Amino acid sequence: GEDVEQSLFLSVREGDSSVINCTYTDSSSTYLYWYKQEPGAGLQLLTYIFSNMDMKQDQRLTVLLNKKDKHLSLRIADTQTGDSAIYFCAESRMDSSYKLIFGSGTRLLVRP
Amino acid sequence: GAVVSQHPSRVICKSGTSVKIECRSLDFQATTMFWYRQFPKQSLMLMATSNEGSKATYEQGVEKDKFLINHASLTLSTLTVTSAHPEDSSFYICSARDLRVYEQYFGPGTRLTVT
Repeated sequence: GEDVEQSLFLSVREGDSSVINCTYTDSSSTYLYWYKQEPGAGLQLLTYIFSNMDMKQDQRLTVLLNKKDKHLSLRIADTQTGDSAIYFCAESRMDSSYKLIFGSGTRLLVRP
Repeated sequence: GAVVSQHPSRVICKSGTSVKIECRSLDFQATTMFWYRQFPKQSLMLMATSNEGSKATYEQGVEKDKFLINHASLTLSTLTVTSAHPEDSSFYICSARDLRVYEQYFGPGTRLTVT
């Protein structure tokens, strides 16, 4: 199947770390992405990882990829109230279409 | 960073009319642009892939005669919703793929309301 799955909701306290999880099904996926969407807005690319990597760090963001389990996670360190948004993971395929298959999105709520 | 714009950001139209939405890559060239539809509290559903100079590729279940896509230049793609009906009301988002990198950049979206 083509499903990309995420948990729907995550609530954390400001200053704590947030971990958002994603599972995908297509082992031929080349790139895996994390996007952030704030209310009424488009998607902001946060980071992406190539499928032959297992970790990528970018400031407060850490992406972990377990290719064997087809599991991707996004860790946000020192979560701030401005991080409250919906986070989508997406995979792109080896074929030439470059189209992205999105997960259902995880709504992150950061409590003061 | 790469910027993708959409116009209009919000449009209200009467049932039966047609609406055109523009998607532009402002500081890079994009041979491929994508059109998505997003219902409230849901994920993005890919509608079609727009290739510069050729016909768009539509996803299964998307009516190509209803959602007309034109990609006439490397920086502009348009989506026209023809004979719009209330069920076409949705948030339409485009994205553009930068030729040089493996990144897709998204526009801010267009909220269409059909009355």
